[in-house]
Amino acid sequence: AIRMTQSPSSFSASTGDRINITCRASQGVSSYVAWYQQKPGKAPRLLIHAASTLQSGVPSRFSGSGSGTGFTLTISCLQSDDFAIYYCQQYYGNPRTFGQGTQVELK
Amino acid sequence: QVQVQESGPGLVEPSATLSLKCNVSGGSIRGYYFNWIRQTPGKGLEWIGSIFYSGTTVYNPSLDSRMSMSADMSKNQLSLDLTSVTAADTAVYYCVRVLGSSSWSGAFDLWGQGTMVTVSS
Repeated sequence: AIRMTQSPSSFSASTGDRINITCRASQGVSSYVAWYQQKPGKAPRLLIHAASTLQSGVPSRFSGSGSGTGFTLTISCLQSDDFAIYYCQQYYGNPRTFGQGTQVELK
Repeated sequence: QVQVQESGPGLVEPSATLSLKCNVSGGSIRGYYFNWIRQTPGKGLEWIGSIFYSGTTVYNPSLDSRMSMSADMSKNQLSLDLTSVTAADTAVYYCVRVLGSSSWSGAFDLWGQGTMVTVSS
């Protein structure tokens, strides 16, 4: 199985900050990577697919980049609604696999 | 708009079969792949398998021997059966649609709210 490793696992930030979350795949997955946001008690929400395509309805402060084995989710100006857990996921291989998650907390 | 809703027993005894349903409303399952994904505090998000409305399936190799998925076009419903369950199968189970029609290779764009399943006697 392709292993997706996120870093950091958690960190504290302030509203207005620019933050980056990285995800590394154990083997090349082309651009078949998605990013999700999850809040407590809720299902994950798709933010980015195909590594850099913003899902419909998602604010433009979210962006994604990368290909091959290295990927980044960027939030350009953190809002109060953005404090959540973020997951990367590859849909290149079987089984589909997710990263372990990155929790973004209010500093 | 299209909505997805899981339903299940809540509590299942060890070694029994877990059966879950996924009802899709506001749109047809025709033309889409749907997936079952589960989440636990310890193992995080785990993809279980995928099914096309026609019945074509792709299973996670680690669960393949215990799993069966089906689709019922007349009811607009998907089903998951997982046999010989243990405490390790305790999780929130999600029914999730793949973005884009007729393709298994896509991100997961539409999630149900999830249903909690506990395996315990």
